[in-house]
Amino acid sequence: SQTIHQWPATLVQPVGSPLSLECTVEGTSNPNLYWYRQAAGRGLQLLFYSVGIGQISSEVPQNLSASRPQDRQFILSSKKLLLSDSGFYLCAWSSMLHDEAFFGQGTRLTVV
Amino acid sequence: RKEVEQDPGPFNVPEGATVAFNCTYSNSASQSFFWYRQDCRKEPKLLMSVYSSGNEDGRFTAQLNRASQYISLLIRDSKLSDSATYLCVVNKVPVISGGYNKLIFGAGTRLAVHP
Repeated sequence: SQTIHQWPATLVQPVGSPLSLECTVEGTSNPNLYWYRQAAGRGLQLLFYSVGIGQISSEVPQNLSASRPQDRQFILSSKKLLLSDSGFYLCAWSSMLHDEAFFGQGTRLTVV
Repeated sequence: RKEVEQDPGPFNVPEGATVAFNCTYSNSASQSFFWYRQDCRKEPKLLMSVYSSGNEDGRFTAQLNRASQYISLLIRDSKLSDSATYLCVVNKVPVISGGYNKLIFGAGTRLAVHP
């Protein structure tokens, strides 16, 4: 069966520090991969999606970037965090055949 | 207009009650519809897909009305464990050929079931 791993679960970082969140998927190949952010009490905002290695599309202009160095690995990064980057970051995957997405446990990021 | 709109609630209902949530979407070309459940400070989890003919999974029934562009979720015999936020999800069909087909999440409807 397919599983998705995301870490760390919580993170507190100072303003101006770098960020790297990692997500890996097991049990499937060539998944579509996504990074979402959820601000407190708000809906999910799609940040990046990827349909293959090295193929990244950005949904909103921001302080973040994403990379997909391997088929089942998706990384969210920032060179310098802003206070507004605080939120709940969720990695998700879907197959090429079906639209439903499956989420990792999420990373709760607080920028202080 | 938001692409997917939901009443944020909260819906406060007693155990055993029947509760219904609606969701409207703006893209008439959307083809896939889902309900997700999200517990407090947890990731969303797929509850059920929504099919054109309507579908049922135990106490949960989902309906799709393409003409009016809304979907619904009915929960019968509510349990305390049903307390959560329910997210309506619709796929966004690309405007141009070859564009990416992605999911748009509503902000969610909060349900609180009390004894």
